[in-house]
Amino acid sequence: KNQVEQSPQSLIILEGKNCTLQCNYTVSPFSNLRWYKQDTGRGPVSLTIMTFSENTKSNGRYTATLDADTKQSSLHITASQLSDSASYICVVSGSGGGADGLTFGKGTHLIIQP
Amino acid sequence: DTGVSQNPRHKITKRGQNVTFRCDPISEHNRLYWYRQTLGQGPEFLTYFQNEAQLEKSRLLSDRFSAERPKGSFSTLEIQRTEQGDSAMYLCASSSRAGSPLHFGNGTRLTVT
Repeated sequence: KNQVEQSPQSLIILEGKNCTLQCNYTVSPFSNLRWYKQDTGRGPVSLTIMTFSENTKSNGRYTATLDADTKQSSLHITASQLSDSASYICVVSGSGGGADGLTFGKGTHLIIQP
Repeated sequence: DTGVSQNPRHKITKRGQNVTFRCDPISEHNRLYWYRQTLGQGPEFLTYFQNEAQLEKSRLLSDRFSAERPKGSFSTLEIQRTEQGDSAMYLCASSSRAGSPLHFGNGTRLTVT
């Protein structure tokens, strides 16, 4: 069964600090992995996509990594800001999931404290 | 604003009533998806359309749920005889093709009392 596990479930850090969110998956065959940011009361917004051949990709203060051998991805946030408070959802595309083979993680709820 | 639009944003209804939600996707997107999300969980797939054809339905979509996309543009999701367990955020998303990113609306939050 395709699964996407995210950790931690929730995280509180002080403004300005860095943090790393983890995503482990068992989706096979693997097509790509996306990280979405979901602000409270709003729909998710795509941050970055990782394909099989990519190890790292940056989008401003967000850097995603992918290890296709161990089936792990991480999202690193540098110099956190209050606006980074949100849920971060890992979505893996492969076969067997609903609708284009997409399997969603439950998300990591990140709170940035001033 | 040319993003995905969902209406209403909030809906409170009594158990047993029927409700209908509307989604207007990005105009050039031919794929439209419905998801359900409860607190602390990721979105759960319900169904999706390519143009007007409903291509896949999740087992979560009981016979009380029906979705349509009659002209391949906007879509509606109807829930009949609502139950308290239907309380959730209903998200709509659209994309231009398989593998391209999903563009989500801001959802309709349903509360069944």
